[in-house]
Amino acid sequence: EAQVTQNPRYLITVTGKKLTVTCSQNMNHEYMSWYRQDPGLGLRQIYYSMNVEVTDKGDVPEGYKVSRKEKRNFPLILESPSPNQTSLYFCASSFEWVPSAYNEQFFGPGTRLTVL
Amino acid sequence: AQTVTQSQPEMSVQEAETVTLSCTYDTSESNYYLFWYKQPPSRQMILVIRQEAYKQQNATENRFSVNFQKAAKSFSLKISDSQLGDTAMYFCAFTNTGTASKLTFGTGTRLQVTL
Repeated sequence: EAQVTQNPRYLITVTGKKLTVTCSQNMNHEYMSWYRQDPGLGLRQIYYSMNVEVTDKGDVPEGYKVSRKEKRNFPLILESPSPNQTSLYFCASSFEWVPSAYNEQFFGPGTRLTVL
Repeated sequence: AQTVTQSQPEMSVQEAETVTLSCTYDTSESNYYLFWYKQPPSRQMILVIRQEAYKQQNATENRFSVNFQKAAKSFSLKISDSQLGDTAMYFCAFTNTGTASKLTFGTGTRLQVTL
């Protein structure tokens, strides 16, 4: 089944404890992206990757890191999480990075992160 | 910068009725793409419908259709014959050729379908 998977689905942690949220897609997609969803703000892009070893900042990159060493994986790293990073996180992927109406982005199931 | 505005935080509709969700956007680009996503209580993001800005014809997908007014920068979603399973948060989203597939989302409209 074609899908984007994220782990963990739920995480409660404490301020300053490094964590990684994994994202993997099995569709050989070129483009991958991380978004965070907050009430009243919709979804905002954190980082994106147009291909292996090519990553760039989105709209809200502060406090996050990413890497793209393999085409299928795009982990999100929080080196020193803070309470303002409590959010719902989505990984998404699409066949290519060129925007089009039919270059559909497939979303993972989301990761609910709480930082105490 | 592109922005997407959804002015209706919450809406309610009775089953089998029709409801329209509003969305306006701001861009200086001439070629772009618009989407409506549904997020049910499961939190999964589901693409409902898509529209290419250079196409005059409004997109339709079964009970879902859009009213795309390019000059007014408006992209509303009409849901006909509403069903209980349509209860969800709906997000309007935008992307254009200069943003490497980045989706810019509105703040969402929570739709409740009632009996």
